[in-house]
Amino acid sequence: EAQVTQNPRYLITVTGKKLTVTCSQNMNHEYMSWYRQDPGLGLRQIYYSMNVEVTDKGDVPEGYKVSRKEKRNFPLILESPSPNQTSLYFCASSSLQVRPYEQYFGPGTRLTVT
Amino acid sequence: AQSVSQHNHHVILSEAASLELGCNYSYGGTVNLFWYVQYPGQHLQLLLKYFSGDPLVKGIKGFEAEFIKSKFSFNLRKPSVQWSDTAEYFCAAGRGGRTGRRALTFGSGTRLQVQP
Repeated sequence: EAQVTQNPRYLITVTGKKLTVTCSQNMNHEYMSWYRQDPGLGLRQIYYSMNVEVTDKGDVPEGYKVSRKEKRNFPLILESPSPNQTSLYFCASSSLQVRPYEQYFGPGTRLTVT
Repeated sequence: AQSVSQHNHHVILSEAASLELGCNYSYGGTVNLFWYVQYPGQHLQLLLKYFSGDPLVKGIKGFEAEFIKSKFSFNLRKPSVQWSDTAEYFCAAGRGGRTGRRALTFGSGTRLQVQP
């Protein structure tokens, strides 16, 4: 089954404790992206990757890092989480071969930073 | 800067009522348009998409949307809603070119509540 998976689905952590949220897709998509969803703000893009070893900032990259060492995986790293990073995070992937570049979303990771 | 506006933040309807959710975008050039639905506790699922051709697009679950270029609008419609349509609906727009970051700009969402 074609899907985007994220782990963990729920995470409660404390300020400053480094964490990683994993994202994996099995559709051989070139493009992957991370979004955060906050009430009243919709989804905002954090980082994206056009292919292996190619990453770039989205609209709200501060406090986050990413890496793309393999095509299927795109982990999101919070080196020193802060309470304002409490949010719902979605990973998405898309083929760059077929318009309109529809994005497929993972199930989401709800992060709480205390 | 690109933006997507959804004018209705919370809509309450009775079953069998007709639905129209507004979406306006501000993009120059070729634009791809999407409606996503998020059922409670679930991830975003694509309802329908438009990038060229017939401006009236039909999606899953009886939803449709009309692209009106002159109004920069892509409103979502359904003739008769069901209780199971209770969800949050997001309009999104993205650039259609081959280059660029292909980010989707999302609207702030419309929460639809359908009462039995």
